Amino acid sequence: DQQVKQNSPSLSVQEGRISILNCDYTNSMFDYFLWYKKYPAEGPTFLISISSIKDKNEDGRFTVFLNKSAKHLSLHIVPSQPGDSAVYFCAASADTGGFKTIFGAGTRLFVKA
Amino acid sequence: DVKVTQSSRYLVKRTGEKVFLECVQDMDHENMFWYRQDPGLGLRLIYFSYDVKMKEKGDIPEGYSVSREKKERFSLILESASTNQTSMYLCASNDRGLSEAFFGQGTRLTVV
Repeated sequence: DQQVKQNSPSLSVQEGRISILNCDYTNSMFDYFLWYKKYPAEGPTFLISISSIKDKNEDGRFTVFLNKSAKHLSLHIVPSQPGDSAVYFCAASADTGGFKTIFGAGTRLFVKA
Repeated sequence: DVKVTQSSRYLVKRTGEKVFLECVQDMDHENMFWYRQDPGLGLRLIYFSYDVKMKEKGDIPEGYSVSREKKERFSLILESASTNQTSMYLCASNDRGLSEAFFGQGTRLTVV
């Protein structure tokens, strides 16, 4: 029973275009959502987060959108760059301590030059 | 620069061996975590610790134990390694009250 779902295992985008990575969740108690980026042979690194009291958070080329009624969030990368090629994990937690953060299966993004 | 360091990048162990995975953080974080990453399953929490000598089970604790004798160090122990424990193991830490975690580089464990 996956509480956080990333239904697209992979995504391929041309350099300079927008990348949209999607994530769905089932637990309405989740109140904090995060995106992590992972390169091969490295640990995940935190990218951007959003609290359930917001519907959008922006950091440079990265924007996360949250639709609570649909239990859906998305990560937009504009413009996409080859260095963005990585696996992106969506994660959700129901507390601020991060004790029970639930991760999705990940989406592998390929940005073609 | 914050750092979480795992003692080994790659390990190969035999079935039935006792395996120790070590993790050290230099950020004085209260919380430390052990996850395993498997294709199609994402990261799954094995155990976490919110203080020295304190530990809590995560979602998949069976076959594992942990030890936290010092604040900066969190060890994962496979009491008797089995082939289904072949995986990427990731250690992480964070501050109390924050959810963003800092991860180590991972240990790829193969049990043969």
